Amino acid sequence: EPEVTQTPSHQVTQMGQEVILRCVPISNHLYFYWYRQILGQKVEFLVSFYNNEISEKSEIFDDQFSVERPDGSNFTLKIRSTKLEDSAMYFCASSAIDSRKPQHFGDGTRLSIL
Amino acid sequence: DAKTTQPTSMDCAEGRAANLPCNHSTISGNEYVYWYRQIHSQGPQYIIHGLKNNETNEMASLIITEDRKSSTLILPHATLRDTAVYYCRSNFGNEKLTFGTGTRLTIIP
Repeated sequence: EPEVTQTPSHQVTQMGQEVILRCVPISNHLYFYWYRQILGQKVEFLVSFYNNEISEKSEIFDDQFSVERPDGSNFTLKIRSTKLEDSAMYFCASSAIDSRKPQHFGDGTRLSIL
Repeated sequence: DAKTTQPTSMDCAEGRAANLPCNHSTISGNEYVYWYRQIHSQGPQYIIHGLKNNETNEMASLIITEDRKSSTLILPHATLRDTAVYYCRSNFGNEKLTFGTGTRLTIIP
């Protein structure tokens, strides 16, 4: 069964540095999402992306965050200048063109900011 | 994204059927009911979804009441690996997901 894959599984970065989290959505999916989960807290929506543009974003997704689909297979989340509070699990998800279809999630990237 | 309410926690004996209820009384006519779960800190996992008919797949069954105001997720033979937090959502599949408290299901050996 097709899966959403995320790399790396764990990223350790110094505060203030830029980080890029990578995702390969399921191949025929056209909606893409990023969520995050701070340790011990609930999963929070960050951003959704469709047709090469952001369709919705949360308050968390400020100017430090950006998303890109650089080619036909990857979907990336960039944090320009990381802060300690950006430490979290980041989950990528994708869904098909049919709006009734569910989202499928990757296993996440654990981001640790030192 | 219609509001849903679920019990905070439930226990189920291993090998028995786990029945997880969800109320979604404000669901609109064309919104679906989706169930996801999160095992420990893994990525949320899609389980099943339906509109108004009962649905079954290899993981679970979904029973939706005729008025569509509530549903029940059934795990027919629960195993220890089914211990997780289960989330019921009612919306469209490509809408953002909001994860509230869900139901923490503990499978007891």
